[in-house]
Amino acid sequence: AQSVTQLDSQVPVFEEAPVELRCNYSSSVSVYLFWYVQYPNQGLQLLLKYLSGSTLVESINGFEAEFNKSQTSFHLRKPSVHISDTAEYFCAVGYGSGNTGKLIFGQGTTLQVKP
Amino acid sequence: DTAVSQTPKYLVTQMGNDKSIKCEQNLGHDTMYWYKQDSKKFLKIMFSYNNKELIINETVPNRFSPKSPDKAHLNLHINSLELGDSAVYFCASSQGRAVYEQYFGPGTRLTVT
Repeated sequence: AQSVTQLDSQVPVFEEAPVELRCNYSSSVSVYLFWYVQYPNQGLQLLLKYLSGSTLVESINGFEAEFNKSQTSFHLRKPSVHISDTAEYFCAVGYGSGNTGKLIFGQGTTLQVKP
Repeated sequence: DTAVSQTPKYLVTQMGNDKSIKCEQNLGHDTMYWYKQDSKKFLKIMFSYNNKELIINETVPNRFSPKSPDKAHLNLHINSLELGDSAVYFCASSQGRAVYEQYFGPGTRLTVT
């Protein structure tokens, strides 16, 4: 069965410092991996995705994640965070095919950026 | 324009009542979803509809009944509300084969007292 584990429930970090949010998955089939972000009082937004090809994927706001098959990980990184990055971050694995596909989410990591 | 909207934003009600949450998307998507986010922020899919047809029905109590009058709308009706139903309910949508690239509404916070 597919599952996702986010290893840190909260990550406090100072502004302009680097950050890594850790995500491990288990899947017995082809892997599709995602990071979603939830800003306070909002719904989730897709941040970045890995479907195939290059194992390093990037978002438009400076985040990147690397698919590591041997370690079954998809950690999210940013070299320098801003106050506006404060949010809940969810790692997810896509499971199923066609219109029966669904997302299995991890427990979420709260990124708290302090000035 | 809001892509995925939900009403109401907050819902406070007593145990045993029946309530509905409405969702509308103006993205032209063909698949819509309901998720439940519990107090620990764990997010789990409940239902999905594709072109008004029920596709995914997770192990959700029968008290929860989704209804999709058309592709743009997916409502959630809950009968005989229980304390454990308190949560944030999110609606989402996706298009075609991109089922994992979902657009979420702002959520409805349901509190059962």
